[in-house]
Amino acid sequence: NAGVMQNPRHLVRRRGQEARLRCSPMKGHSHVYWYRQLPEEGLKFMVYLQKENIIDESGMPKERFSAEFPKEGPSILRIQQVVRGDSAAYFCATSAGRDQPQHFGDGTRLSIL
Amino acid sequence: SQELEQSPQSLIVQEGKNLTINCTSSKTLYGLYWYKQKYGEGLIFLMMLQKGGEEKSHEKITAKLDEKKQQSSLHITASQPSHAGIYLCGADVGSNYKLTFGKGTLLTVNP
Repeated sequence: NAGVMQNPRHLVRRRGQEARLRCSPMKGHSHVYWYRQLPEEGLKFMVYLQKENIIDESGMPKERFSAEFPKEGPSILRIQQVVRGDSAAYFCATSAGRDQPQHFGDGTRLSIL
Repeated sequence: SQELEQSPQSLIVQEGKNLTINCTSSKTLYGLYWYKQKYGEGLIFLMMLQKGGEEKSHEKITAKLDEKKQQSSLHITASQPSHAGIYLCGADVGSNYKLTFGKGTLLTVNP
């Protein structure tokens, strides 16, 4: 499967725990974007990364959320001390260039107990 | 107010009928992307439009970006049950990468 791979597909956490969401880009893609989809709302941009660099994190909450895209391995969106309001579907998209079409993974559905 | 408005919010058609979904922006569109999403799954890229007046087709789906670059339409000819899903428009309103999305149009095609 040469598409954007996200894992896990579903993640359940208790309040206060940490959530780690992973995204492996399509082959040849070095640009990664994370979006969040809350119930009854549209997709909202969170962060844009290229290898080892955060380009734009203007859509990401200032506290508890962080993202990285290391030289080796997948991009990771990390949410510390999760709260109920973090329950959402988190989608990763990747592209070959910043003005190229973004291709999405199947998302990680995060549920907070 | 929502930057990107999609209409209708939902649509039920009989198999074989044509249909149109609209996406209207309050800002100039530098790029307009159409995606299809099935419930619980990811977004499937359909088409990208960048130039005013541009029209693209893929199989029975045609998308157009108007001359003023503030509205796009997605037209499906002779709809089939396989076309059912949520259609999302995503727009680049100036950042070149940060897409703003509409809330989607839920399409049901009855056999």
